[in-house]
Amino acid sequence: AQSVTQPDIHITVSEGASLELRCNYSYGATPYLFWYVQSPGQGLQLLLKYFSGDTLVQGIKGFEAEFKRSQSSFNLRKPSVHWSDAAEYFCAVGDTGGGNKLTFGTGTQLKVEL
Amino acid sequence: DAMVIQNPRYQVTQFGKPVTLSCSQTLNHNVMYWYQQKSSQAPKLLFHYYDKDFNNEADTPDNFQSRRPNTSFCFLDIRSPGLGDAAMYLCATSSGGGAFYGYTFGSGTRLTVV
Repeated sequence: AQSVTQPDIHITVSEGASLELRCNYSYGATPYLFWYVQSPGQGLQLLLKYFSGDTLVQGIKGFEAEFKRSQSSFNLRKPSVHWSDAAEYFCAVGDTGGGNKLTFGTGTQLKVEL
Repeated sequence: DAMVIQNPRYQVTQFGKPVTLSCSQTLNHNVMYWYQQKSSQAPKLLFHYYDKDFNNEADTPDNFQSRRPNTSFCFLDIRSPGLGDAAMYLCATSSGGGAFYGYTFGSGTRLTVV
C-alpha cells in the first residue's frame, strides 16, 4: 500500500529565510504527488502537483517542489518565506488503482518568526 | 467562483445525539469524499461517492453514514457521536481523476461532542 512520510512535525524559520519541507513516499508505480497547505481552521488548498516530466514543479505562492525518484522524495521549497506562510503543509500521493484516492502524510507545522 | 461549501463551519452536538454535516459543490465533479482529521494527524478517508456509487473504507466505523441525493450535495451522518468523534470533517471533490489531479476541499466542519 502507498504511504507518505513527513519526518518534520514542526519547523520554525525566520521571515525571509529559505524553506524546505521534506516528504518521502512509498508507491509501487509512477507516483502522482501533491502538496497541500492548510491555514488554521480552514480546508486544504492545493499548492502544486507532479505527474511526470520535469522533476521541478512550480506552484502557487512562490512554492516549488522537486521529485527525486532515486530518493523517493518530493520536497517542498520556497526561497524566501513570508509571515503569511505559517500554516500546516501536507504531502500526498495519489493511488490510481485504489479508487483514485489520495493518501496524506501527517503534516508539517510551519512557524514563521518575524 | 466554483467551490465546495461545508455547513456549518462549527457544530456542537451532545454525546449520542445524531448529527448531520453538509457539503455542496458547484464544480459538477462526479466524485465526493469525506475525510476525518484529528488534531496533528493526517486527514483520514472515511468514504467516497463515485457518482451514485458509495465506497466505504474498510476501517470506517458503522456509526458513520453518508448520503448523496444528487450531484451537488453530500451528507455525513454520525448516528451516535462519541467523544472520540470530535474532529474536523473535510469534504472534497474531484472530477474522477482525483489521484491524478488532486481534490478541491471545502473549509471543513469542526465537530465538538459534549
